[in-house]
Amino acid sequence: RKEVEQDPGPFNVPEGATVAFNCTYSNSASQSFFWYRQDCRKEPKLLMSVYSSGNEDGRFTAQLNRASQYISLLIRDSKLSDSATYLCVVNANYGGSQGNLIFGKGTKLSVKP
Amino acid sequence: EPEVTQTPSHQVTQMGQEVILRCVPISNHLYFYWYRQILGQKVEFLVSFYNNEISEKSEIFDDQFSVERPDGSNFTLKIRSTKLEDSAMYFCASRPTEMNTEAFFGQGTRLTVV
Repeated sequence: RKEVEQDPGPFNVPEGATVAFNCTYSNSASQSFFWYRQDCRKEPKLLMSVYSSGNEDGRFTAQLNRASQYISLLIRDSKLSDSATYLCVVNANYGGSQGNLIFGKGTKLSVKP
Repeated sequence: EPEVTQTPSHQVTQMGQEVILRCVPISNHLYFYWYRQILGQKVEFLVSFYNNEISEKSEIFDDQFSVERPDGSNFTLKIRSTKLEDSAMYFCASRPTEMNTEAFFGQGTRLTVV
């Protein structure tokens, strides 16, 4: 079973659309969850951490469902500059681990004018 | 804003040669990592380093790989005898004291083995 699974996309949406990405993870002991953004051939950059209560940062909303081991990211009013690959990332948190990150393969978003 | 810096940005090497990839983590961070990303694939964990020793490594990190923090600021990844399949983007990352905080990534070194 893959540790972090995401729909690979691509998601092709018009400007202004709302788009949702989903992610599931296999390790129920994981404690930290993140969405990173990766532009083509660049490093991953943190978009937002994901908290149990859900959290919002401007047009971005992240949700976590620990019971279902499911994480989501909602982007409202999408902009051309949102075009990137969105990576679902989970802390390994296995016994003794110093918290290395486990990445999903990413969901590619393309926002069109 | 503090950042993780990596050099070189691109390295081309012949199969069988040794390469050293260099990283300068953020100065007050204590946890250091190397990840790699083969083109078109996901980012994969290689090794974590804390308190001047390897704390965890993946099955990718075999005897051909080694890490070092030679002088308190640099953090290096050495590949002893490169193979074609080592061609990838290598990212260094660092974290401050706690386990469950954001990891900051360097811009990566693109390694091409020919």
